[in-house]
Amino acid sequence: EVMLVESGGGLVKPGGSLKLSCAASGFTFSSYAMSWVRQTPEKRLEWVATISSGGSYTYYPDSVKGRFTISRDNAKNTLYLQMSSLRSEDTAMYYCARQGGRFYFDYWGQGTTLTVSS
Amino acid sequence: DIQMTQSPASLSASVGETVTITCRASENIYSYLAWYQQKQGKSPQLLVYNAKTLAEGVPSRFSGSGSGTQFSLKINSLQPEDFGSYYCQHHYGTPPTFGGGTKLEIK
Repeated sequence: EVMLVESGGGLVKPGGSLKLSCAASGFTFSSYAMSWVRQTPEKRLEWVATISSGGSYTYYPDSVKGRFTISRDNAKNTLYLQMSSLRSEDTAMYYCARQGGRFYFDYWGQGTTLTVSS
Repeated sequence: DIQMTQSPASLSASVGETVTITCRASENIYSYLAWYQQKQGKSPQLLVYNAKTLAEGVPSRFSGSGSGTQFSLKINSLQPEDFGSYYCQHHYGTPPTFGGGTKLEIK
């Protein structure tokens, strides 16, 4: 069974930093591109970052480029999202998602919540 | 960025009915369209990708169609477990973007 378990969310002040983790199991982690997708309090879904299976390629939307860094440790079957210069608009539930193919997401974790507030 | 527009935003239907949700892309995305279902308090689940390919384990009462800029998700004979929110998403390239969602409620 594919399982993705996120952790690391919390309350952060504007301008602060936080690192999310996603532990993967039930599939060959190193064979899949992985992504982070967030859902805002208004329930809007937004793609945040993607990393290739080997970790060589990363992709970001303009809204987080330069502030967020996606990485992975294939030996530990773990995906990461380092977030810095956080803004109130980054407040969301952050989901780790396996990429089933061309930028669609076939398995999602249960999510971890980030709140950016002073 | 490609904008995805879903309609209706909300929908009320009864068990056994057939419903259709539509999704429009702001430019041609060929058949690179996915649909997700999200139940209250849960993460989204993939239903359809490549516009009409059902994801593993998805019941055959779900079907996707369309190409180019116009797409639809049809649910035949609604079951109690089908109520929730539905999102479309283009997967033509980056950035992949989502529609605003359709909330399907019990009448």
